[in-house]
Amino acid sequence: SSDLTQDPAVSVALGQTVRITCQGDSLKKYYVSWYQQKPGQAPKLVFYGKNSRPSGIPDRFSGSSSGNTASLTITGAQAEDEADYFCNSRDISGNHLVIFGGGTKLTVL
Amino acid sequence: QVQLQESGPGLEKPSETLSLTCSVSGGSVSSASFYWSWIRQSPGKGLEWIGYIHSSGSSNYNAALKSRVTISLDTSKNQFSLKLSSVTAADTAVYYCARVVPISGRSGYYYGMDVWGQGTKVTVSS
Repeated sequence: SSDLTQDPAVSVALGQTVRITCQGDSLKKYYVSWYQQKPGQAPKLVFYGKNSRPSGIPDRFSGSSSGNTASLTITGAQAEDEADYFCNSRDISGNHLVIFGGGTKLTVL
Repeated sequence: QVQLQESGPGLEKPSETLSLTCSVSGGSVSSASFYWSWIRQSPGKGLEWIGYIHSSGSSNYNAALKSRVTISLDTSKNQFSLKLSSVTAADTAVYYCARVVPISGRSGYYYGMDVWGQGTKVTVSS
């Protein structure tokens, strides 16, 4: 399958830890990138590869991967983390295609 | 740092060809290290990859759009462009350009976007 599946919505209490997941057959072979998108803004890269965080992204954002599932963990969620989160990776077909998950709406309570 | 900026008409008529340009500053579209991509987002929806191009001339497109899409590179202007033909209301979306980085992994590399433009809204309507 070329699809990446994400839960449509997740909520977390302020200061608590939340995990956002991304599932797909291709994730047995490839890592993912995670993007944060706030209303009216372009997506912003927050984590990528095996264990990489772009400069300027708080270290409360971390990523992991096991089997066909990749996860983005926010440890100590802040109000400003409320956003949509998308994962992306590569199609398993070998055709070098880009695929995205459907996105997860994170609400910080 | 690298910045990308989309430009083009905000309104297209059905059946016409949508044309957008992405201007790159702080970096070169001729770099062999990167690909250059278009992604779109329909109102209230997720991200849809349209395609990418490399300075070598190689390109790849979303199978669902492939018959209508052309992405090209203009190294003299440090820009890349999108043409989407025979547009319908379903092509109404915010269109983003992005820089693509091949990122190595367990069994090969995938394509991630590290820099995005701010996006440009395109409405298809008569």
